[in-house]
Parts: sequence; C-alpha cells; structure tokens
Amino acid sequence: LAKTTQPISMDSYEGQEVNITCSHNNIATNDYITWYQQFPSQGPRFIIQGYKTKVTNEVASLFIPADRKSSTLSLPRVSLSDTAVYYCLVGDPVMDSNYQLIWGAGTKLIIKP
Amino acid sequence: KAGVTQTPRYLIKTRGQQVTLSCSPISGHRSVSWYQQTPGQGLQFLFEYFSETQRNKGNFPGRFSGRQFSNSRSEMNVSTLELGDSALYLCASSTRDRAHNEQFFGPGTRLTVL
Repeated sequence: LAKTTQPISMDSYEGQEVNITCSHNNIATNDYITWYQQFPSQGPRFIIQGYKTKVTNEVASLFIPADRKSSTLSLPRVSLSDTAVYYCLVGDPVMDSNYQLIWGAGTKLIIKP
Repeated sequence: KAGVTQTPRYLIKTRGQQVTLSCSPISGHRSVSWYQQTPGQGLQFLFEYFSETQRNKGNFPGRFSGRQFSNSRSEMNVSTLELGDSALYLCASSTRDRAHNEQFFGPGTRLTVL
C-alpha cells in the first residue's frame, strides 16, 4: 500500500509559482498519482492525475521523475483563491481497492497578497 | 451534468440516536464512496459501493453502514451516535474507469451530535 509524504504547510505570494512535492517511495507499477484541492467546508476537487513524466492541464502541471518515487504539483501564478489544502494520492484508481484509504493530512497552502 | 448532491446539508442529533445520510451521484457514475472528515483526523475513508455491492471498507466500527440502490444513489447510516461522530460526511462518485477515474465530491453533510 503506497503511502505519501507531503509538507504540512507552505506559504507563498500572489503571482508566484508554487511547487508542492509528494514522496511515494513504495509506488507500484500500476499506481497513478492524483492531486486534489480542498477549500474549507467543501469536498475535495480533482486537480490533476499522471502516471509518468509531465502532465499539464488548464490549472496545474504534474512532474513525475523516471523512478516515480516522488511527484511535484506546480501551480503557476497563484492567487489568493488558491489558498487551500492539497492532497496527493497514489494508487491504481481502477483495480486497487485500497486507493482511497489513505489521504494523509495534505499540504495547507497559504497565499499572501 | 448535475453534480453530486447530498442531503441533508446539516443535521443535529443527540447521543444514542441514529442517522441516515443520502447521496445522489453524477448520472452514469456507478461508484459511490463515503468519507468522514474531522479537524483532528482529516479525511478518512468509510466505504465504497459499486453497482450495489460494497467494494471496499475503511476502518470504522459496525455502527457505520451503507447501501447503494439500483439507480446508484447511496445511503449511509450511523447507529447509536456518539459525540465523536460529529463531522463533515462527504460522498464522492466516480466512473472507476481508467480513463476518467477522478472522484467528484458532494458538498457534504455536517453532522453535529449533542
């Protein structure tokens, strides 16, 4: 069962690029890496998912090195509204019945003006 | 498409009572998962239902149970409520398809046990 490690909290400023790294040393061959964002009193929201190398969508990029033992969520030009908790999940979202079990504490990102 | 809906949004109960929460997934999604979120414990997985069958279960006591209907709507029941059951209960739906497997969360039900 893959376990993830993320920083508890991070601060940054509006307009900056923010990189949040997640460690997952025991990632399995069929595991994907998924990031969610959560605002207070709301359910988490899917941000991005990847398996290897780099994935980019309209809100973020996900960088995954060749050994896949870590991944970095990159948020370009953050704004105050990006203040939230960010969760990294690792698992096979189709076959792995344990995929949803461990969310961890996530990274609390605070964006300052 | 309409998003995941949960009812009720807020609930106040007393210790010893039971409660039933409801979740309607996104149309076409056959997987429904339930989570408990508290400030101290974070997001904890309760169980997942897929095509009316419980597919996976987290580490919660038997007081927590659920079911899924043929239209994929799901209910979660907590019996003999305890103070520690006060939490935000989140429901998430998914296709569990490899190409589109992200979970879509509802707004949650805030349960307060007095």
